[in-house]
Amino acid sequence: IAGITQAPTSQILAAGRRMTLRCTQDMRHNAMYWYRQDLGLGLRLIHYSNTAGTTGKGEVPDGYSVSRANTDDFPLTLASAVPSQTSVYFCASSPKEGSPLHFGNGTRLTVT
Amino acid sequence: GQNIDQPTEMTATEGAIVQINCTYQTSGFNGLFWYQQHAGEAPTFLSYNVLDGLEEKGRFSSFLSRSKGYSYLLLKELQMKDSASYLCAVRDSNYQLIWGAGTKLIIKP
Repeated sequence: IAGITQAPTSQILAAGRRMTLRCTQDMRHNAMYWYRQDLGLGLRLIHYSNTAGTTGKGEVPDGYSVSRANTDDFPLTLASAVPSQTSVYFCASSPKEGSPLHFGNGTRLTVT
Repeated sequence: GQNIDQPTEMTATEGAIVQINCTYQTSGFNGLFWYQQHAGEAPTFLSYNVLDGLEEKGRFSSFLSRSKGYSYLLLKELQMKDSASYLCAVRDSNYQLIWGAGTKLIIKP
């Protein structure tokens, strides 16, 4: 089934540790995005990539980094996790910038 | 600043009709999206409005008034499976999506 796969599904992480959230899509979409979703707040964009080889900062990029070496993969790295990064992280893709988004099932991350 | 307002929670009865409102104040406007999100799951795309008026898609309709900065999602013949959060998102002049916090819809038998 075509779509977006995120891993892990959930993770408990000690503060200060490094963590990479994985995201892979098989729809050959050009644009990919990382959002975080926190209770009572709208989805907030962390980083995005309009095409392989390019990335950009979203609304809340601090503490996070991304890479886009190819069309399919868009990993999100937390270099040194802090408790405020406890959230549900969604990866999304779209055929082109501005098209409706397809979301992965999310990664629930708890930083202790 | 940019802002999307939606009611936090609404309750409706199975078989009835419910209207979920969304008002927005953004830097420019390049379309409005509605997404459905069941608890613990990913958001899924429902509808897109860029011109004023009503877009109908089965039991779901979405309306837009750009002059009023207002949209609503209308759900007819409610079913228990419609219990979910409904997210409103506006694309601004920079083509960035601004998201509302979502409206949790509870359907009662």
